[in-house]
Amino acid sequence: QTVVTQEPSLTVSPGGTVTLTCASNTGAVTSAYYPNWFQQKPGQAPTALIYSTTSKHSWTPARFSGSLLGGKAALTLSGVQPEDEAEYYCLLYYDNLGVFGGGTKLTVL
Amino acid sequence: QVQLVESGGGVVQPGGSLTLSCAASGFTFSSYGMHWVRQAPGKGLEWVAVIWYDGNRKYYADSVKGRFTISRDNSKNTLSLQMTSLRGDDTAMYYCARVTGSYMNDYWGQGTLVSVSS
Repeated sequence: QTVVTQEPSLTVSPGGTVTLTCASNTGAVTSAYYPNWFQQKPGQAPTALIYSTTSKHSWTPARFSGSLLGGKAALTLSGVQPEDEAEYYCLLYYDNLGVFGGGTKLTVL
Repeated sequence: QVQLVESGGGVVQPGGSLTLSCAASGFTFSSYGMHWVRQAPGKGLEWVAVIWYDGNRKYYADSVKGRFTISRDNSKNTLSLQMTSLRGDDTAMYYCARVTGSYMNDYWGQGTLVSVSS
């Protein structure tokens, strides 16, 4: 069974920088898994942030960036804003099948 | 503007069936793949199924394989999810989302709630 793992929770101060990661139990995450990242706030549908590891949508704030880091997909927020407090999910693809990570609850405090 | 509107959710008994729909507008529906993703109350996102732009390729999560069927009508810009043999753990908000051939996920609908309960 394929399992994608994210940090359950992280805390960051306003204006700070934080990196969320996304690991696969099958081995190192590469661009071939087409990592996508999503933000979800309470009571709302998810919003897409990043696709194909590093690419941003037209609506993605510049402070969000995607990368590969130490065998994992990573989402970095630089200059965190209070409105960035949310749940963040990664999505990896395994031969056409998608698997979400369990999500990271980001607290801005 | 791109719009995805889900419908068809409701309360259904265990073992029952339900069909969800997703009405698409604002883009060339027949050029995009479409996902269904669900979220149980208080839980994370779970990928359910994908259908590619022409309907010829369909893939399912193991948890729904053999019980759920994804389909599309490109003439009506509509995506469907036929759900049978429903169980309590199928209770969730169901979202449809657009995806490109390079696995770029972009637009999501607001979801439709399915509750499986006796």
